[in-house]
Amino acid sequence: SQTIHQWPATLVQPVGSPLSLECTVEGTSNPNLYWYRQAAGRGLQLLFYSVGIGQISSEVPQNLSASRPQDRQFILSSKKLLLSDSGFYLCAWSVFAVGEQYFGPGTRLTVT
Amino acid sequence: GQQVMQIPQYQHVQEGEDFTTYCNSSTTLSNIQWYKQRPGGHPVFLIQLVKSGEVKKQKRLTFQFGEAKKNSSLHITATQTTDVGTYFCAEIIQGAQKLVFGQGTRLTINP
Repeated sequence: SQTIHQWPATLVQPVGSPLSLECTVEGTSNPNLYWYRQAAGRGLQLLFYSVGIGQISSEVPQNLSASRPQDRQFILSSKKLLLSDSGFYLCAWSVFAVGEQYFGPGTRLTVT
Repeated sequence: GQQVMQIPQYQHVQEGEDFTTYCNSSTTLSNIQWYKQRPGGHPVFLIQLVKSGEVKKQKRLTFQFGEAKKNSSLHITATQTTDVGTYFCAEIIQGAQKLVFGQGTRLTINP
């Protein structure tokens, strides 16, 4: 069966520090991968998505970046965090581009 | 850009009452998906609707896709405390390989 892992579960980082969040999927090949951010009590904002290794589509211009170094690995990064980067970061995968998405447990990031 | 509008934003009901959330679009939707997110958890896929006028049921949950494929609804009959959470609809953007989520309806229940 397929599983999706995200770590860390929670993170507190000072403003200006770097960020690296990792997401890995097991049990499937060539998944579509997605990064979302959810502010407290709000909806899901798509940040990046990838349909293959090295292929990244950016939805929102900001100080975040994403990379897909391996087929089932998706990384979200920042060189310098802002207060506004606080939120719940969710990774998701799907088999088909327009199929159902399966979400990881998420990372709660607080920038102080 | 394309965006689905979801109403209401919040709904509080007594346990046993019914609940409905609506998802509306100004453009014709190709497909629509529904997700549930429990408090503190991650979204979980519930269903996908494809056909005009489609109605699907999952136990106490009834999902409908409008005849014009511009709206959809999720109805829960006789709510239970396990139904608490936020319900999202998501529009499938054909050709762009992504979903656009509505803002969600947060359901709270008084036991």
